Amino acid sequence: GAVVSQHPSRVICKSGTSVKIECRSLDFQATTMFWYRQFPKQSLMLMATSNEGSKATYEQGVEKDKFLINHASLTLSTLTVTSAHPEDSSFYICSARSGGAGNQPQHFGDGTRLSIL
Amino acid sequence: DQQVKQNSPSLSVQEGRISILNCDYTNSMFDYFLWYKKYPAEGPTFLISISSIKDKNEDGRFTVFLNKSAKHLSLHIVPSQPGDSAVYFCAASGAAGNKLTFGGGTRVLVKP
Repeated sequence: GAVVSQHPSRVICKSGTSVKIECRSLDFQATTMFWYRQFPKQSLMLMATSNEGSKATYEQGVEKDKFLINHASLTLSTLTVTSAHPEDSSFYICSARSGGAGNQPQHFGDGTRLSIL
Repeated sequence: DQQVKQNSPSLSVQEGRISILNCDYTNSMFDYFLWYKKYPAEGPTFLISISSIKDKNEDGRFTVFLNKSAKHLSLHIVPSQPGDSAVYFCAASGAAGNKLTFGGGTRVLVKP
């Protein structure tokens, strides 16, 4: 159980392109999903918290107009990198947490490697 | 300001022996701690967690210990297996379901 699917796994595109990444919880409903970014040999840095049916909460320093997040259903959140530039190249990972009381771990997708030429 | 630190970037251990990974935190508001395992180009896989009301949690070969007074937790893997070779991240959150703060990771190599 607790499977999170992320698509696509890899994207290579030209500078100026907008890229959409999907994150789906396959076997549970996720009221909250999270988007992380990982630079080479570094840890995961939280970008934003995505709440179903409401606006995402962005971490300090993350441009909300650059990284658009939509959480339209309990099983799907999308991250759109708008007008991507080479500095946006990174490994993006989503996670989802099932609902319910008490502590629940986040379960992660397999990430998306984004390369902007 | 790193709130969660893993001071050992790497660890090498012989197959069958114990692997001990350490993690320190500074934020006293953290009350839920997790360990994740990560292979290259994949997302982290949840291993084990512990809440602040406990000092030990065990699941098969994995045991997590929490020392709240020292703001320190550790992960013990015994016996270590070659398939355990990966990067291990500890993470902490301030409340159930809240965002996670990750440590920098420890790369474990289990030698056959």
